[in-house]
Amino acid sequence: NAGVTQTPKFQVLKTGQSMTLQCAQDMNHEYMSWYRQDPGMGLRLIHYSVGAGITDQGEVPNGYNVSRSTTEDFPLRLLSAAPSQTSVYFCASRPLPGTANEKLFFGSGTQLSVL
Amino acid sequence: GESVGLHLPTLSVQEGDNSIINCAYSNSASDYFIWYKQESGKGPQFIIDIRSNMDKRQGQRVTVLLNKTVKHLSLQIAATQPGDSAVYFCAENKLGYSTLTFGKGTMLLVSP
Repeated sequence: NAGVTQTPKFQVLKTGQSMTLQCAQDMNHEYMSWYRQDPGMGLRLIHYSVGAGITDQGEVPNGYNVSRSTTEDFPLRLLSAAPSQTSVYFCASRPLPGTANEKLFFGSGTQLSVL
Repeated sequence: GESVGLHLPTLSVQEGDNSIINCAYSNSASDYFIWYKQESGKGPQFIIDIRSNMDKRQGQRVTVLLNKTVKHLSLQIAATQPGDSAVYFCAENKLGYSTLTFGKGTMLLVSP
């Protein structure tokens, strides 16, 4: 049981490049989400999904796309990277709200630098 | 990962002391609260949670206190150890809703 797995761990991009951050979980969690973490800003929600085929925007969705074709995977796409997207990105999952266990399980993060 | 600590409130304690980390939450409708610990270069890890029908919940060396009147949450760590050094986040949501809202975090530094 690996939990939440994120790849890559580090990435450097040039402005305007695109890339996909991968996230996979093996806990059969319906809910998956992406956060970004910046100094002094805490964790801010980018996008989330409550199941395959369903996604929704969080607090800071601009510049990012997501899709959820399977329960296990929730990739985050940067279409045209900007320096403002330099951050540490975390994927997190949990069972659907309303179950007994509401806590989020986090991956180990992707540190992204956009030059 | 290392830049997470910049600009954060910091609590410095000696090994063996008890630590208290505070959090003010924003939404009076929130009824579920969680504390997470984040070590440098790692993702946040669950410590303890509490629902709004409780005022206090204890775990191993940790206690969470909830004061709904003033929308305040605290995490108490007994006999703090150097391994407790990390950034601690509180988070809130309304049970049955999807999204957790996180506080900005407090850095705990434990000196041997």
